[in-house]
Amino acid sequence: AQSVAQPEDQVNVAEGNPLTVKCTYSVSGNPYLFWYVQYPNRGLQFLLKYITGDNLVKGSYGFEAEFNKSQTSFHLKKPSALVSDSALYFCAVRDDKIIFGKGTRLHILP
Amino acid sequence: KAGVTQTPRYLIKTRGQQVTLSCSPISGHRSVSWYQQTPGQGLQFLFEYFSETQRNKGNFPGRFSGRQFSNSRSEMNVSTLELGDSALYLCASILGQGPGEKLFFGSGTQLSVL
Repeated sequence: AQSVAQPEDQVNVAEGNPLTVKCTYSVSGNPYLFWYVQYPNRGLQFLLKYITGDNLVKGSYGFEAEFNKSQTSFHLKKPSALVSDSALYFCAVRDDKIIFGKGTRLHILP
Repeated sequence: KAGVTQTPRYLIKTRGQQVTLSCSPISGHRSVSWYQQTPGQGLQFLFEYFSETQRNKGNFPGRFSGRQFSNSRSEMNVSTLELGDSALYLCASILGQGPGEKLFFGSGTQLSVL
């Protein structure tokens, strides 16, 4: 059965520092992987997705994610964090349906 | 284009009651999926519909049901409400299939069961 894990409930990063939000997955076959972001009192917004090809995927708001097949990981990254990046981030995988992780709350400290 | 519309935005019910939530997808989108969001469990998949047919179902009890109409609008129903059903219920309007698929989420319905 497909699954996705986000091992950190919360990540704190100082503004201007690089950030990483971790995600690992389990799925039969080739995975379709996604990152979504949720701001307070809002639905989820699409950030980026990996289907195939280049292991480094670029998305919205300067975010990127690195697909690593051997480690079954799809970590979200940004070279320089902004306070406005503070939000709840969800990793997701599509097999027969789209399954989301439990989310990681990202706090960017001014 | 208008976004995904979920109504009502907030709902307060008591245990044992039933509730119906509505989702209008983006015009032209034929698929919708529903998720339950709680602080401890994140997003849990409820169902997915395509052209009025349930395409997939999550691991929820039979008290949770859904349907989709010919105009692609979808409803979900929860009968015999329990305290643990308190959550944010999110609907996603799905564009495309396979690699090109993309989900657009509504703002959700916040259900509180007292």
